[in-house]
Amino acid sequence: AQSVSQHNHHVILSEAASLELGCNYSYGGTVNLFWYVQYPGQHLQLLLKYFSGDPLVKGIKGFEAEFIKSKFSFNLRKPSVQWSDTAEYFCAALYNNNDMRFGAGTRLTVKP
Amino acid sequence: DGGITQSPKYLFRKEGQNVTLSCEQNLNHDAMYWYRQDPGQGLRLIYYSQIVNDFQKGDIAEGYSVSREKKESFPLTVTSAQKNPTAFYLCASSITAGAFTDTQYFGPGTRLTVL
Repeated sequence: AQSVSQHNHHVILSEAASLELGCNYSYGGTVNLFWYVQYPGQHLQLLLKYFSGDPLVKGIKGFEAEFIKSKFSFNLRKPSVQWSDTAEYFCAALYNNNDMRFGAGTRLTVKP
Repeated sequence: DGGITQSPKYLFRKEGQNVTLSCEQNLNHDAMYWYRQDPGQGLRLIYYSQIVNDFQKGDIAEGYSVSREKKESFPLTVTSAQKNPTAFYLCASSITAGAFTDTQYFGPGTRLTVL
């Protein structure tokens, strides 16, 4: 079965630190990739997605992710985090347009 | 105020009882989804529906049933056949039928505890 793995369960950073959250997906044909975020007390929402084209994808709130096909990776980055980025982040992969798989999530805590 | 509502937020049931979780959306979306989330695991797809009166099994459909009689409603029944029903259940919707690539919009979830 297809799977998505997120390397870090909980990441703690100070404000202004740079962020990189790892995401690897298993091989499985056509793959579309997503990052979703859940802020405290809010619904899960889309941060960014990659379907094709430029492998560096920019999302909302200054986040970006890079698709590296050779490494089966889709890591999420932000140059300088803020306290308001404290949230849980989920990587997801859509295989062959009908099989959606989510990673277990990474909890990010940003200390002011 | 458009969005997806799930009720109730917390639900308790005795073992062996069926229970139905509500999901309603007023976004006029064609597609709706049910996911289950367990601690330390990602969301897993239970069922999805692309149009009214049609639905498909996801990865873990055993022990669950759904109906889609109206576009805005997609209730999930957790039956007594589901071996480990205690979990957090999330409902989502997306604009277009047949397009998992569409952004999914999620509800607040229902935490089901079976005693």
